[in-house]
Amino acid sequence: AQTVTQSQPEMSVQEAETVTLSCTYDTSESDYYLFWYKQPPSRQMILVIRQEAYKQQNATENRFSVNFQKAAKSFSLKISDSQLGDAAMYFCASIYYAGGTSYGKLTFGQGTILTVHP
Amino acid sequence: GAVVSQHPSWVICKSGTSVKIECRSLDFQATTMFWYRQFPKQSLMLMATSNEGSKATYEQGVEKDKFLINHASLTLSTLTVTSAHPEDSSFYICSARTRLGSYEQYFGPGTRLTVT
Repeated sequence: AQTVTQSQPEMSVQEAETVTLSCTYDTSESDYYLFWYKQPPSRQMILVIRQEAYKQQNATENRFSVNFQKAAKSFSLKISDSQLGDAAMYFCASIYYAGGTSYGKLTFGQGTILTVHP
Repeated sequence: GAVVSQHPSWVICKSGTSVKIECRSLDFQATTMFWYRQFPKQSLMLMATSNEGSKATYEQGVEKDKFLINHASLTLSTLTVTSAHPEDSSFYICSARTRLGSYEQYFGPGTRLTVT
């Protein structure tokens, strides 16, 4: 079984500043993937960034980057140059490879509500 | 690519009636579809997983007779909430995987259900 924990129910940041959202996970699987999803007020889930566990290099997507610490089972999201449009609920999630063509279920953390102040 | 739609986007129904929510993959064939429920400011809770042509697999604690899921084709899955009650009011989200061997999931925009 996999568990994902986000310990920050709410975070806030000033526009143009940097903010880091925390996530820890637990898994007994060796082959898994980690994600950050954004859910803006529209409620549409948007994939922000993904990380393959076998890759040591941290994933980066424009202003979004992760700090993947495999041994510590930590997967934080850094948002640089925050914009008003970044305001949303952010979910950390994981999925494991079950073998063959199968993957397990996508497991979500509790979510972090990010507020961006102008 | 990989667009998932849901219909309706919001629905209000009276207690005791049934309501059907559709989830469609618009530009791909979805081997597997998922249904989630989400309460305000909370995480997504997986309700069930459905594969085309087979019975849905429900998560523990989800009433299969209340939440009927049908995955009749590779592009359509439906969730029917039977004999709805106010406590069934929630936001329902579907997602789909594009193919076997892929972990990618694409999410629909969700359906807000209000039972009065």
